[in-house]
Amino acid sequence: DAGVTQSPTHLIKTRGQQVTLRCSPKSGHDTVSWYQQALGQGPQFIFQYYEEEERQRGNFPDRFSGHQFPNYSSELNVNALLLGDSALYLCASSFESSGRAWETQYFGPGTRLLVL
Amino acid sequence: AQKVTQAQTEISVVEKEDVTLDCVYETRDTTYYLFWYKQPPSGELVFLIRRNSFDEQNEISGRYSWNFQKSTSSFNFTITASQVVDSAVYFCALSEAGYSTLTFGKGTMLLVSP
Repeated sequence: DAGVTQSPTHLIKTRGQQVTLRCSPKSGHDTVSWYQQALGQGPQFIFQYYEEEERQRGNFPDRFSGHQFPNYSSELNVNALLLGDSALYLCASSFESSGRAWETQYFGPGTRLLVL
Repeated sequence: AQKVTQAQTEISVVEKEDVTLDCVYETRDTTYYLFWYKQPPSGELVFLIRRNSFDEQNEISGRYSWNFQKSTSSFNFTITASQVVDSAVYFCALSEAGYSTLTFGKGTMLLVSP
């Protein structure tokens, strides 16, 4: 049973560039959420995708955008990179179509982004 | 707004000691869910336990146990007879009814030395 996978594992960019991170959910899951984890901090929610639409969004600027594909995989795009965007980006998947009020999120290994 | 506080930034113990990680939460909802995740140096968050707000029964799973008290808005996590492999950052998290998105605390780094 494949877990959540993310690519790439590490990435170095310079200020002003754009980056795309990718995530494949755990088998059987239909929802993908993205989190940003700065060094020494807890993860912060960026947004969640369900049925190929952004369903919820945290307090992040429009430079952060995403997409979900029909196979439930997802991309996170960040434009006009700032030094402060350097962080571990975590993808989590869950099964929302169960109809239950909530589901546990399972996380991938993350992508470490360094902006110089 | 919901909030999770983990007041302990770092705890150091010697192997076989018991250790308790504290978590205090704030929410206006009557229905909510609490979680503990473990983050080893590799970075991946590993799910440990979830609890809903209607279930205050404490739980024990092997060397792990959890104490949920609504009266004090706390959801503490105890590791009995700690081992070096328990060294990691532990996060407490909260989600509100209808949404699976998580609000995390800042985490507690646990260092278990031989």
